[in-house]
This record gives sequence, C-alpha cells and structure tokens, in this order.
Amino acid sequence: DIQMTQSPSSVSGSVGDRVIITCRASHDIESWLAWYQQKPGKAPKLLISAASSLETGVPSRFSGRGSGTDFTLTITSLQPEDYATYYCQQAKSFPYTFGQGTKLEMK
Amino acid sequence: QVQLVQSGPEVKKPGASVKVSCKASGYTFTNYGLSWVRQAPGQGLEWMGWISTYNDDINYAQKFQGRVTMTTDTSTSTVYMELRSLRSDDTAVYYCMRTAVWGQGTTVIVSS
Repeated sequence: DIQMTQSPSSVSGSVGDRVIITCRASHDIESWLAWYQQKPGKAPKLLISAASSLETGVPSRFSGRGSGTDFTLTITSLQPEDYATYYCQQAKSFPYTFGQGTKLEMK
Repeated sequence: QVQLVQSGPEVKKPGASVKVSCKASGYTFTNYGLSWVRQAPGQGLEWMGWISTYNDDINYAQKFQGRVTMTTDTSTSTVYMELRSLRSDDTAVYYCMRTAVWGQGTTVIVSS
C-alpha cells in the first residue's frame, strides 16, 4: 500500500498569512494526488485534483504543486473561512489512501 | 445537479450488519465508479473500497476484506455498502464519493 504522510499535523495562522501543507507518498504516484478541505460536521470538499488542478469555484489563493512523492498545498492570504482540516489522497493505485490530515487553526 | 444522497443514520448492536445506500443523480451513473470512505469520531478519513458502476469491478481495502460488500443497482443508480460483524470501533460517518462529489454522510453507531 502507498502511505501518505502529511505535515504538519496542525498549523496555526492569522488572516492574511501564507500557509503551506506538505504531503509525502511512500511510492511514486506521479500526479495522482487530490487535496480536500473538511469543516466540522461536513463532507470533505475537493480543492485540487491531479496535484495542481484547481477545482471550479475554489479561490485562487489555493494552489497545489508537486509530482512523484512530494506535494504541497499552499494557501496564500488566509481567510476566516479557510480554517478547517486538510487531507491529501493518492489515486495512483488501490487502496486510495489518505494522509492523516492537517488541522489549520486560528493563531 | 450532480448529487449523491445517502440513507439515514443507523444504530446497531455489536455483531450485527449495516447496509448503507448511496443514490446518484444528475449524471450518467455508469460513467463513474464510487468509493466508500469512513470517518470515526475525531479521526481522519479512511478509504474502504471502490466499485465500478460499469462492470462491477471491486477493490476493497485489506482491512475490510471479508467483512464488507459493495454492490450496485443500475436500475436505480444506487450503490450499497454492507458491513458485517460490527464492532464498537466501526462507529463512524460513512461517505460515498465520486471524484469531486461526496454524499452527505451516514452516521452508524455500534453500541450494545
């Protein structure tokens, strides 16, 4: 199985800050990576697919980079609605494993 | 619009089974496979398995092999996930999902 490791597990930031979350795969997954945002009591929401493709309607302050084993999700200029938990997921091979999540909290 | 609508909450006793449904609408059902993902209270997302809605190909996470069955009903555009021999640590919200679309989640509580 491909293991997905996110870091940090939690991060704090203020409105206007830039935040970077990383995701590392235990094997090469090319660009088969998605990023999700989840708020309490809600289903996850897809932000980015194919490592860097922003979903329609997602603000441009979100961006994804990487390929192979190392990936990043960057949020530039944090907004109040961005405080949530973020997950990466690989879709290169079954099982489609998730990272453990990164909780973004208000500083 | 594209939607996945899941069945309602369930409360089960240890050892019982639960069957959760996920009805798709707004797109051609057989064009997309569906995954099931669960989330225990306060925990992260756990991928359980995937089923093709085109040819019933299935892939289950090793952890659930032998205890889970995923099926489709193309006549009603519905996917089902049955989990057997329930334990207290199966208490979770269960989601069906397809690429960018997620169901609303189904809470399953396992308690004696």
